[in-house]
This record gives sequence, structure tokens and C-alpha cells, in this order.
Amino acid sequence: DTGVSQDPRHKITKRGQNVTFRCDPISEHNRLYWYRQTLGQGPEFLTYFQNEAQLEKSRLLSDRFSAERPKGSFSTLEIQRTEQGDSAMYLCASSSYILAGGTGANVLTFGAGSRLTVL
Amino acid sequence: AQRVTQPEKLLSVFKGAPVELKCNYSYSGSPELFWYVQYSRQRLQLLLRHISRESIKGFTADLNKGETSFHLKKPFAQEEDSAMYYCARGGPGGGNKLTFGTGTQLKVEL
Repeated sequence: DTGVSQDPRHKITKRGQNVTFRCDPISEHNRLYWYRQTLGQGPEFLTYFQNEAQLEKSRLLSDRFSAERPKGSFSTLEIQRTEQGDSAMYLCASSSYILAGGTGANVLTFGAGSRLTVL
Repeated sequence: AQRVTQPEKLLSVFKGAPVELKCNYSYSGSPELFWYVQYSRQRLQLLLRHISRESIKGFTADLNKGETSFHLKKPFAQEEDSAMYYCARGGPGGGNKLTFGTGTQLKVEL
């Protein structure tokens, strides 16, 4: 297991086309997250899954965005009818729940990201 | 809305000088707070989190609830500390959704 894998690393597409990104999390992690990062900004939360259930979606996730995690392992993020504003780095992360000092926290392990450029 | 503010986009210090990267968060109960770091050409990774109260690579961060701050500090900067640093807070109920600041680029000069 080499960590969180994302594919493709770079995608250039024309406006109006559909794109799909894939994320393979760390195998023992049951939580998976998608974030988006634009230039000069920190990562912005899009959505997250616990196993195959999508538990939360950001308002940033318009109707053109859909994410799935059908078997609770890998996940896909599809963007339909891409717009130039969709150009960004799409980050995937998975997490394990770590107990320390009597409290727990989800510690996220990030992938290298998929960079989308919409022309 | 939960907010994390990192007021400095760029912080430049000389090697051996003290470092303080500022982070303020919007108040909401008892948040989980984290520092993530991204070295050049590497992926974003956890540096430290407040509940573990540990020192990682010489960095520490103290949660100040009165000032709603979680500044990252290191007494003596090293060249290898040059990186992008992001402060992040967890959402209510256990940190499932992290809200990140805009990041501070730390540049350690020789």
C-alpha cells in the first residue's frame, strides 16, 4: 500500500466536456474525502464518504458534480459539462480515527491530487 | 460559517531565527485544530494536531481559546522547514470536515 492514489494526475479538457477522477484510499481507511484547491487558497471541502455512504456534501458541489464510492473502496468524482471555473486541483484524502489523550480525531492522508484545466 | 484565518501569505526568516506562523479560528465550542504542511513537489501531510500536544520537527502549537488562536512556532528555523503551511480546524462532532486556512509560505533563507 503506497498511500492514497489519484488518477489522472493532470487532465486538460474543453469546456462542456465531462471528466472523471479516481481515488484509491489507504485500504484500511473507511472514510474518504474530496477537496478542491485553487491557486492561492487552501483546500475546500467537497464531500466525504464513510464506507459506501456519502454522508456530507458541500454547497460547492453543484449538480454537475457527482461522487461515488460503490463498494466502499475506491471513489470517483465526475464533473459534467465542465466550466472554466472548475479548473483546480482535486484532492482526495482518506482517514483513520486516532485516539490520543482520551479524545479522537480523524487524521487525513492526502493523495497527490488531480489537476484539472478547462480550456 | 467556520473560518480559519492565516494573515500572512509569505513569511521569510533567516536560518536559526525563531518562526511563528499565525492562525486564528472562528469560535465554535471545542474545535479540533491541525497544522498541515506541503513541501515542494510533495503532497499535503499532517504536521501536528493540538490534542496530541507533541513537538514535530521542532514545531509546537498551543491552543489559546481566549484568543481563538493556534499559532505554529519553532525556536530555530532550518532550511528544510521551507514549505507551505496550512492551519485547519475540524467541524463539530469530531473533525470529519476540515476547514483550511489560505496557507502561509515559509521561506527560510541562509
